[in-house]
Amino acid sequence: AQSVTQLDSHVSVSEGTPVLLRCNYSSSYSPSLFWYVQHPNKGLQLLLKYTSAATLVKGINGFEAEFKKSETSFHLTKPSAHMSDAAEYFCVVRGAGKLTFGQGTILTVHP
Amino acid sequence: SAVISQKPSRDICQRGTSLTIQCQVDSQVTMMFWYRQQPGQSLTLIATANQGSEATYESGFVIDKFPISRPNLTFSTLTVSNMSPEDSSIYLCSVELVRDRDYEQYFGPGTRLTVT
Repeated sequence: AQSVTQLDSHVSVSEGTPVLLRCNYSSSYSPSLFWYVQHPNKGLQLLLKYTSAATLVKGINGFEAEFKKSETSFHLTKPSAHMSDAAEYFCVVRGAGKLTFGQGTILTVHP
Repeated sequence: SAVISQKPSRDICQRGTSLTIQCQVDSQVTMMFWYRQQPGQSLTLIATANQGSEATYESGFVIDKFPISRPNLTFSTLTVSNMSPEDSSIYLCSVELVRDRDYEQYFGPGTRLTVT
């Protein structure tokens, strides 16, 4: 069995400040982990993925995530938020050929 | 990556009717999936559709309500049968690509269904 918990349903930041979206996972397998972004009325876009290579994963648009097995975490970060980052973000774990989605974190970016 | 299209993009249907959603992929893929995203919620897997075999449904979803076809490696349909307002959701298909035991899933744009 596998599960994902996104610790914040909403995160609000000012433009130019760091972003931290928190994710904890549970998996019976050696997990593959992903972050997807969904802009309003748009489809899901893959931001980055961890698949047992480097624990620090770089994605698109300046996002990064670090896999910490001891903490069962896969938090998403960005050094400087941009207005275009405002969207909903989903942390996802893959196991047994299936994806399990977290509940999502809505990121708001203020000017 | 994979480019996925869905038809229709949105529809408004009356309760008791059925709607078939089409999913087309620009390359041949083994694994296709159907998800539901209810208003304000995350994605929930409905079923996995592999070409040449019966779809595998997740707990809480049944074939009579959500029949799926997978006639070839680039196409699938999901039917939402005997609809009720609770079926109002976004329905998404996705495909999984595998490269060197590295998995990535790509999603279609979704079909926004409103049942009145």
